[in-house]
This record gives sequence, structure tokens and C-alpha cells, in this order.
Amino acid sequence: DSGVTQTPKHLITATGQRVTLRCSPRSGDLSVYWYQQSLDQGLQFLIHYYNGEERAKGNILERFSAQQFPDLHSELNLSSLELGDSALYFCASSVSRTGGSPLHFGNGTRLTVT
Amino acid sequence: GNSVTQMEGPVTLSEEAFLTINCTYTATGYPSLFWYVQYPGEGLQLLLKATKADDKGSNKGFEATYRKETTSFHLEKGSVQVSDSAVYFCALMVDQFYFGTGTSLTVIP
Repeated sequence: DSGVTQTPKHLITATGQRVTLRCSPRSGDLSVYWYQQSLDQGLQFLIHYYNGEERAKGNILERFSAQQFPDLHSELNLSSLELGDSALYFCASSVSRTGGSPLHFGNGTRLTVT
Repeated sequence: GNSVTQMEGPVTLSEEAFLTINCTYTATGYPSLFWYVQYPGEGLQLLLKATKADDKGSNKGFEATYRKETTSFHLEKGSVQVSDSAVYFCALMVDQFYFGTGTSLTVIP
């Protein structure tokens, strides 16, 4: 058990809808990262927050947004969903802002857009 | 830029065979290097890491050595088991984490 909790585990929704994925980091970790994993594109970095502030953006679409709250949990909002957004979405946490501290991953949210 | 290239799979081995999964990287600065493993239906788990040149990371019989001269971090295990069947990801960390595309390993009895 990594200590990172993601909810829900599975989400099925229709095109055009909006969903929110939630992540609670490991106790003591201030950094939260979001990744998208799909069969054809591997593991894609979306966004990184540290202690409530956005630190880095990766390949995150404008239809997607995220935030990290004062209690350090994070939410990833996906809107105007398309079939191609179907993927596994992982949250990972780390103790540091940058540097050699490893990431600890949750078990992911599997999003299916129909 | 920063990137990781790892050996394409899938790899299929018999139990007790020797495993090598190649990983090379391109990085600005001095990266830390990691191997992660993903079992079916789960998130990625840290397998081992190395933070500077010539460091050897090891865990559960797996090893990888940080080779700056060849920009490589190949994963090895002397005798694989069926329970090692998973997808293995090489990653580097400079300003952020960069992951390889993953190598699927299946070990057959």
C-alpha cells in the first residue's frame, strides 16, 4: 500500500460530460502529480502541485484543470469529455518539491467515456 | 531535452532465466534514475533508484547501475519468477519525472 488514495476507482460517463477525480497524498507528502496512462501514449505527465501551488504543467489539455487544497488533497477536473479521454488517471505524491525523492502512486481511476 | 528510452516489449522468459531490460536516457543536469513496476490493476511502485553516477540500486533481486558514461540504467535480475510478471518503467528526475514507455514482462513456469 503506497498510502496514496484515489477515488473513484472506476468512472463511466458520456461524451460532453464533466468529472472530478480525487487524490489524497501520503501523509507528509506536499507534492501531488497527475498522470494519464493510455495504451497508445504510455504515461503522460499532466500537472504537478506543491503545497497548494502549481509547479509544472505537462501535456494537460485546456479542458482539464486541477487544484490542491489546504489539506493537500488534490482534484483533477475533466470537462467536455471526449472518447479519447478514456484512460487510467494516476495520482502520485512525493515529499519534496523537486529532486531525488521518489513518487508514490495511487491505484488510479479508470475513466471510460462512451 | 530530457527523455528516457527503454527496450520495447513484450518480453517473455522462462522461470529462472536471466533478465535484462535496457534503459538509456538523455538529460540536462544530473538526474536521479528510477525503476518502477506496475502489476495488473495497480499503480506504479518504486522498485529501485540511484541518485548519482556509479550508484547501484537494488531490491527484491533486481539491480541497476547508474552509468553516466553510457547514459544507461539497465535493469537486471539473475533468476526471474512468475511473480515478476509485470510492466517495468524506467524514469529520470531532473526538473520533473520523465518515464519510459514501459516494458511488459511475462514469466512462464
